[in-house]
Amino acid sequence: AQSVTQLGSHVSVSEGALVLLRCNYSSSVPPYLFWYVQYPNQGLQLLLKYTSAATLVKGINGFEAEFKKSETSFHLTKPSAHMSDAAEYFCAVSGDTDKLIFGTGTRLQVFP
Amino acid sequence: DTAVSQTPKYLVTQMGNDKSIKCEQNLGHDTMYWYKQDSKKFLKIMFSYNNKELIINETVPNRFSPKSPDKAHLNLHINSLELGDSAVYFCASSQGVYSGSYEQYFGPGTRLTVT
Repeated sequence: AQSVTQLGSHVSVSEGALVLLRCNYSSSVPPYLFWYVQYPNQGLQLLLKYTSAATLVKGINGFEAEFKKSETSFHLTKPSAHMSDAAEYFCAVSGDTDKLIFGTGTRLQVFP
Repeated sequence: DTAVSQTPKYLVTQMGNDKSIKCEQNLGHDTMYWYKQDSKKFLKIMFSYNNKELIINETVPNRFSPKSPDKAHLNLHINSLELGDSAVYFCASSQGVYSGSYEQYFGPGTRLTVT
């Protein structure tokens, strides 16, 4: 069985500041991990994925995430926030089946 | 070209009605899914089909019936709509776990409002 916990339902940062969105997972098998972004009234867009290759994964729009097995974490970071990054971010896990188990989401607000 | 498309984008209907949502993908994927996103943004899988065969059914009421006429299409029919069915429904597709590919690509969603 798998599960995902996203710490912090809301994160606010200033434009240009570091973005850190936290995700911890639980999985009885080697996990596949994903970050998706959802802009208002839109579908989900894949930001990046971990599928047991490199532990540091780079995605689109300057985002990256590091898989840390010892901490069961897959936190999402971006060095410098842009106003356009404001959205809802979802961490998800899959593994023994191909269904995605999503976290509850983190809303990122970026202030000028 | 839109990879995963859904129609309609918005659907407003009354309790007790029957409605359908259509989904099409042009990615050549074998596996398609339906997810429900509730008012708190929580996403949960409902169904998945691999090459027209149902492989996941997540304890969804039998008022919901998916139908896959071919591997590029997965439709969702809902009978006797209830207020609690109001949500955003997302279709997704992937190459499928059997191919070693796990990422899923989502459609734009259908916002269903039951009054």
